[in-house]
Amino acid sequence: AQSVTQPDARVTVSEGASLQLRCKYSYSATPYLFWYVQYPRQGLQLLLKYYSGDPVVQGVNSFEAEFSKSNSSFHLQKASVHWSDSAVYFCALRRTGGYKVVFGSGTRLLVSP
Amino acid sequence: NAGVIQTPRHKVTGKGQEATLWCEPISGHSAVFWYRQTIVQGLEFLTYFRNQAPIDDSGMPKERFSAQMPNQSHSTLKIQSTQPQDSAVYLCASSLGAEVFFGKGTRLTVV
Repeated sequence: AQSVTQPDARVTVSEGASLQLRCKYSYSATPYLFWYVQYPRQGLQLLLKYYSGDPVVQGVNSFEAEFSKSNSSFHLQKASVHWSDSAVYFCALRRTGGYKVVFGSGTRLLVSP
Repeated sequence: NAGVIQTPRHKVTGKGQEATLWCEPISGHSAVFWYRQTIVQGLEFLTYFRNQAPIDDSGMPKERFSAQMPNQSHSTLKIQSTQPQDSAVYLCASSLGAEVFFGKGTRLTVV
């Protein structure tokens, strides 16, 4: 069975600082990988996705993520965060040819002024 | 494209009452999902339809929960005899390919 682990429940960074949110997955092959963001009282919005190819993928709002097969990881990064990036971020996977999306427990990001 | 539309956004029911949640998937999407989100359990898969047919309801509490998709433009999640532990945000999602698009959710509060 596949699973997703986000080891950090909360992350606090200063505005303008760089950011990395960690994500590890467990799956025997290479899955489809996603990062979603959830703002208060909102649904999940897709930030970026990885299917295959270049391990570094670009997403909306200057976010990027790097896939590592050897580490089974898909960490989210941003060079300079803004206060509006404060939200909950979910890493997720969907196995190739499957339908169910499996989510991590989420990381709450707080950007301090 | 208005995205996945869920109504109502908030619903308060008394314990033991029935609650029906509505979802309008993105037009043309063949797959529809229901998820439940709570602080304790996080995001839990409930059920999945493909081309309106129920494919997987393995996440549904069997006794009181049911989901239907009578046509390609809407799906419903019905909870009978609601209990306080049913309080959660219920998210509907749809997809055509690998990407899954979520609605804003319905926050159900059982008092």
